[in-house]
Amino acid sequence: ETGVTQTPRHLVMGMTNKKSLKCEQHLGHNAMYWYKQSAKKPLELMFVYNFKEQTENNSVPSRFSPECPNSSHLFLHLHTLQPEDSALYLCASSQGTSGRGGEQFFGPGTRLTVL
Amino acid sequence: TQLLEQSPQFLSIQEGENLTVYCNSSSVFSSLQWYRQEPGEGPVLLVTVVTGGEVKKLKRLTFQFGDARKDSSLHITAAQPGDTGLYLCAGPNAGGTSYGKLTFGQGTILTVHP
Repeated sequence: ETGVTQTPRHLVMGMTNKKSLKCEQHLGHNAMYWYKQSAKKPLELMFVYNFKEQTENNSVPSRFSPECPNSSHLFLHLHTLQPEDSALYLCASSQGTSGRGGEQFFGPGTRLTVL
Repeated sequence: TQLLEQSPQFLSIQEGENLTVYCNSSSVFSSLQWYRQEPGEGPVLLVTVVTGGEVKKLKRLTFQFGDARKDSSLHITAAQPGDTGLYLCAGPNAGGTSYGKLTFGQGTILTVHP
């Protein structure tokens, strides 16, 4: 595997379910991100991890719970979601010390539908 | 708060036409990046411009960074249906955090008809 991978690619869940999204980067980067992308909205940054430590929580509801066990893996645990949480969830990584200003490399995303 | 505004939001053209997408801000950015995103996929980095006035070419795509580093443009020559997608500009937030947090524009949806 190369680049940034995400699983599953598609997920349908009920509002009472608990599920997890997984992201893995094979680029040796130090920083990882979760974004939410809804129709007609810009990319919304949710969480940032740098060297496994969470450095940003962009006022995300507690029904989204991130986990970063190491610099290569990032999870997003989901529970009691709402229909408005349906969106494309994107994971990205970057080399934090890049002098070129934080170029990020994205995974293909997980298309989440909450019924 | 640094903002990036892209225009136009939607662009629908015929194959072979030329087009320009703009990315503007009132803030200075140390660099700007352009991404293309196809439906159902994540954004893919096309280019990073770093120096004011810099011009970079990627086949039929020409990227320019404004002299004052507050704006950028993407020009596509002789567009093809394969150019269809969402084009995003992004720049690192002020303060230069080591993990490169980015501000994204709202995107330009380009459709090129055969």
